[in-house]
Amino acid sequence: QLVLTQSPSASASLGASVRLTCTLSSGHSNYAIAWHQLQPGRRPLYVMKVYNDGRHNKGDGIPDRFSGSSSGAERYLTISSLQSEDEAEYFCQTWATGIQVFGGGTKLTIL
Amino acid sequence: QMQLQESGPGLVKPSETLSLTCTVSGDSINSRRYYWGWIRQPPGKGPEWIGSIYYSGSTYYSPSLKSRVTISVDTSNNQFSLQLSSVTAADTAVYYCARLYVSTSYPDYFDFWGQGTLVTVFS
Repeated sequence: QLVLTQSPSASASLGASVRLTCTLSSGHSNYAIAWHQLQPGRRPLYVMKVYNDGRHNKGDGIPDRFSGSSSGAERYLTISSLQSEDEAEYFCQTWATGIQVFGGGTKLTIL
Repeated sequence: QMQLQESGPGLVKPSETLSLTCTVSGDSINSRRYYWGWIRQPPGKGPEWIGSIYYSGSTYYSPSLKSRVTISVDTSNNQFSLQLSSVTAADTAVYYCARLYVSTSYPDYFDFWGQGTLVTVFS
């Protein structure tokens, strides 16, 4: 079964970097995923697609501070030079033959 | 400028049918590059995919909701709609419509989202 696992919360200081992790279930380590940002009262935002080889394609207007990478079944979203507006819930998404799957989301708090 | 706007009742009674419409502007729903989908997020929980539709009417539904969901497309009005029958309190959520990019024969990732609309099931 295709499942995505995320830690429920993460925190980092203003100006620092943070790496969020999305883990694919066993047997699906070659799948690409997408990262999305959700902030209260705002339209969810597509951040980037991350491939199994670490390549990533960012959405329109996503700052260079956001980058993606991969290792095995893990897909990462790294945000550097953290700003207050980066505080949000980040969730990952993947797909297979028409079916879409979401992770539970990671709430990022900026200290 | 691309926009997706959800519309429909914010309150639905238990056992009734939830109906929402998503109006697409700034793009054609007839595009072969995209599917169009519905996602919901219950309070305090992660997002849940409901289903997706192509301009041709081809659909994919979440296995857990398939028995209660119908998604349809209205190409003349650039809209697509969701119907969820026999609702209960567990269906209370923010409902989003979104666009799905197609890179192969199947829909891939959501690349544009609507603002979302809260639907509460209450008696």
